[in-house]
This record gives sequence, structure tokens and C-alpha cells, in this order.
Amino acid sequence: DAKTTQPNSMESNEEEPVHLPCNHSTISGTDYIHWYRQLPSQGPEYVIHGLTSNVNNRMASLAIAEDRKSSTLILHRATLRDAAVYYCILRDVEAGGTSYGKLTFGQGTILTVHP
Amino acid sequence: NAGVMQNPRHLVRRRGQEARLRCSPMKGHSHVYWYRQLPEEGLKFMVYLQKENIIDESGMPKERFSAEFPKEGPSILRIQQVVRGDSAAYFCASSPQLASLQETQYFGPGTRLLVL
Repeated sequence: DAKTTQPNSMESNEEEPVHLPCNHSTISGTDYIHWYRQLPSQGPEYVIHGLTSNVNNRMASLAIAEDRKSSTLILHRATLRDAAVYYCILRDVEAGGTSYGKLTFGQGTILTVHP
Repeated sequence: NAGVMQNPRHLVRRRGQEARLRCSPMKGHSHVYWYRQLPEEGLKFMVYLQKENIIDESGMPKERFSAEFPKEGPSILRIQQVVRGDSAAYFCASSPQLASLQETQYFGPGTRLLVL
């Protein structure tokens, strides 16, 4: 899987928007951009994914740069429950076509939300 | 609609014992993945299984670790002769029948293994 780069940590205040950046300069044309998060002492949780166009769902929005070399996960109003490690993951098909099953997690961004 | 279930949630073993971790995927899901999270480290893929088949085991240690997903029953991750370095959180995830680049994986709560 192609490599992603995220800041180690970010902080936000409750009720404010949060923009979590991810750089993926070596992204290929078939790579999907996925975001997962892991709350303390829990398993990861899917947040959102996209290919080229910006995406919205009930949890967040995903803004993808026109050249696809970066993307931003947007939490519109952070809550204390959003404090977690956020992972930006690229998914592609490697030789053999079977490796799209696995997720390759980096270190992610630790998001701290202040009351 | 139950999510991915893992048991036990916590497991304590002494060095040399065997550890068996169970994962029941979400209803209708036929793909199971196992990941390991060592203390202070990120999540690492271990193995990807479909019913009765191992699809990708590129992340599995070469010795002592095995996984299965039988036709009936949960997926099992088995660790023989555990060592202290096996202490970690083991997460199982499942996805629906059609695996693709867009598919979402649903994770269980994990099993925390402690080897004394």
C-alpha cells in the first residue's frame, strides 16, 4: 500500500471544527482513501472513504485535493467522544489481487478534544 | 444486529501455554481479518481468511501462530507456546461477502493477551 503521512497529534476544543490532514504524494490512480479511528481501548472504527470527489456522511466529511496527493478529514463539530487516533489509509490492488483485503495502518494522528 | 464479537476480552497465559482467540464476524460477513497491536505500537495486519480458506497470511509470524475460519463456527487465532512478546491486543475485523477497495471492515473490541 502507498504511504501516508499524518501529524502525530492535534488538539481541538469541543464544538469547534477539526481538520485532520493526510499527505499521500505517491498515490496511484486506483487508490481509495480510507479513514478509520480508534477510540481508547476499543477496536478501530470506519469513518469515511473516497476516490476523487469530496464525500460526506453522518460522521465526517472528506476533502480530496484535485491532484489527490493530499486529503483532509473534517469533523464539523468536535465532541469529547471524537478524541481518538485517526488513521488515513490508502487501499489498492497489489500483484496477485488479494492484498486489497488488508488495511495498512500508520501511526495516525492523536486527536485531543478539550471541553 | 450484533457486531463483531471477540472472546475472551482478556486472556492471561504463562509462557509456554497456548492461547486461543475467537472471532465471530457480523452476520452475513464471510471475510475475516486479524490484526495485532503491540504496546505503544500501531495496528499490524496478520491474516485474511474466507470460509475454510487462508487468502493472505503475509503478516503472520512464521512459527507458533495459526489461524482458521471453518465452515461453521468462529474464526480462531491460535498461538502456541506463548512468549512475553506475544502480549498485545488482537483485533478481528469482518467484511461482507464481496471484498473490494471500497469495502468497510468492521472491528471487534479486541482480545487483550497478557503473557506472564
